[in-house]
Amino acid sequence: AQSVTQLGSHVSVSEGALVLLRCNYSSSVPPYLFWYVQYPNQGLQLLLKYTSAATLVKGINGFEAEFKKSETSFHLTKPSAHMSDAAEYFCAWNSGGYQKVTFGTGTKLQVIP
Amino acid sequence: EAQVTQNPRYLITVTGKKLTVTCSQNMNHEYMSWYRQDPGLGLRQIYYSMNVEVTDKGDVPEGYKVSRKEKRNFPLILESPSPNQTSLYFCASSLAPGQTYEQYFGPGTRLTVT
Repeated sequence: AQSVTQLGSHVSVSEGALVLLRCNYSSSVPPYLFWYVQYPNQGLQLLLKYTSAATLVKGINGFEAEFKKSETSFHLTKPSAHMSDAAEYFCAWNSGGYQKVTFGTGTKLQVIP
Repeated sequence: EAQVTQNPRYLITVTGKKLTVTCSQNMNHEYMSWYRQDPGLGLRQIYYSMNVEVTDKGDVPEGYKVSRKEKRNFPLILESPSPNQTSLYFCASSLAPGQTYEQYFGPGTRLTVT
């Protein structure tokens, strides 16, 4: 089945360090890809989305992601982690057409002071 | 304020006692969906609705029912809850069916079935 895979259920970084959260997709057609963030005790909110207009996508709070077709990846990065970035991050894939959205299993980001 | 609301936020119930979790959005969105979130499994779609009176099964529909009689409301019904339905539930909506539209999520309902 076509899906997204998030490598690493938990990632820890030091404050100020690079954040890299990995997402790979499996799809035979160009997908629509999203990153969502879930802060503790809250619902999910959109960080950024890839819709084929540009391979490098900038989102909120300084996050960005690059779509790499050759690697079937859509990794999320942020140059310098802040304490407020501690949350769970979900990669999601839309199959098109009828908005069937598939979510990855999530990556919890811990930021160490 | 544009939002998706869910009620109740927390619910503890017993096996077999019918319950309904309400979901409402004030953004005139056509598409609505229910997900459950379980540790290590991410979000899994239960049911979705393309518009009023149009609903379809997601990945884990067993044990759940939905209805979409009005555009703004999309209640989730558990007619005979079981302990394996203990989970965190999210309702979401988006402007329309389509690849580029983001989903807006409610705050979640934590359900415990004993």
